[in-house]
Amino acid sequence: GESVGLHLPTLSVQEGDNSIINCAYSNSASDYFIWYKQESGKGPQFIIDIRSNMDKRQGQRVTVLLNKTVKHLSLQIAATQPGDSAVYFCAETFQGAQKLVFGQGTRLTINP
Amino acid sequence: DTAVSQTPKYLVTQMGNDKSIKCEQNLGHDTMYWYKQDSKKFLKIMFSYNNKELIINETVPNRFSPKSPDKAHLNLHINSLELGDSAVYFCASSQTHTYEQYFGPGTRLTVT
Repeated sequence: GESVGLHLPTLSVQEGDNSIINCAYSNSASDYFIWYKQESGKGPQFIIDIRSNMDKRQGQRVTVLLNKTVKHLSLQIAATQPGDSAVYFCAETFQGAQKLVFGQGTRLTINP
Repeated sequence: DTAVSQTPKYLVTQMGNDKSIKCEQNLGHDTMYWYKQDSKKFLKIMFSYNNKELIINETVPNRFSPKSPDKAHLNLHINSLELGDSAVYFCASSQTHTYEQYFGPGTRLTVT
């Protein structure tokens, strides 16, 4: 069935360090993956996406890696800043579904 | 200037009451969504409308009735509220055939 899960519910890193947030998905038919960031009291905000025909995509300070063999997705944040503290969600969808299936979320805390 | 707005931001009500949440987007998108986020931050789609037509209904009790008067608005009416309806409800929008969804700030519903 459709499900997206995360390995770690919480993650703490020192300011300036890199962080990696992981996500496992189960639907091999999924062809599009998105990472969202949700700050306290706000709605989720798009960060970066990747199609299933790619294994890596880079944005500003963020990189998403996709390993379809093991159905694993990760979000790497470089040189973390206090403003990176938030809950991060991965989401998946497949062509024609018109809906996103979200994972549980990982709370990232940046320590000064 | 707010892209996706919701009202009210907070809603406290008693069991058995009927309440509505409103959503408006000024992005010119033609697809709108309602999501429910529970206390564990799990985010799950409830409904989706495309050009005022219902396209996704995710096994939601029929006490929940969405209405889309035009493609810029999607309202959610809930009858006979129950304790388990307490959650944060997010509205989102996207352009058809794109997967990037823009979320509103959420409505925190508390049923006592």
